[in-house]
Amino acid sequence: NAGVTQTPKFQVLKTGQSMTLQCAQDMNHEYMSWYRQDPGMGLRLIHYSVGAGITDQGEVPNGYNVSRSTTEDFPLRLLSAAPSQTSVYFCASHEGNNEQFFGPGTRLTVL
Amino acid sequence: AQRVTQPEKLLSVFKGAPVELKCNYSYSGSPELFWYVQYSRQRLQLLLRHISRESIKGFTADLNKGETSFHLKKPFAQEEDSAMYYCAPPLHGSGNTGKLIFGQGTTLQVKP
Repeated sequence: NAGVTQTPKFQVLKTGQSMTLQCAQDMNHEYMSWYRQDPGMGLRLIHYSVGAGITDQGEVPNGYNVSRSTTEDFPLRLLSAAPSQTSVYFCASHEGNNEQFFGPGTRLTVL
Repeated sequence: AQRVTQPEKLLSVFKGAPVELKCNYSYSGSPELFWYVQYSRQRLQLLLRHISRESIKGFTADLNKGETSFHLKKPFAQEEDSAMYYCAPPLHGSGNTGKLIFGQGTTLQVKP
């Protein structure tokens, strides 16, 4: 099993550009999450999904969109990138209150 | 607003010394708390969870409901323990969805 995979590993964008961060899991988990990791801020939840077709906002959803058309995939879209979105992005999947499995992360720089 | 506080950004100890990484949370219920760890160039992974009461890699964590704390302890630190550690209680009102709120993280540096 590959677990949770994320692409790309690194990305540089210019302000105003849009892009999609990909996340996939092969553990048949119902729950998936997107976090951003910033120094001194820990991990903050961006968006969340409890199953295919169901998504919910997290703590810092502004500027991001998500969709969950399949159990396996949970892409994160940046609509119009801003320098404040420079961060490391992690995707995770889990079942209920159990352990969350994280992807390797995407390091995004917005110039 | 619900908060989880890890007061130390950086904790530096010598190999063999005891380690305590502090975590305080604001939550009135009986939370299922987690500690996650991120070693250099690796993804975040679960270190331990309160409900299992296991000792993982020599680490333990006791839930103190009176003080609302869940400090992580290890009696003798090893160099391979150097990593970033995150305390993560569940988000209040999240039911069984497993939504977590993460602390700011503590970098543990174990010197030889």
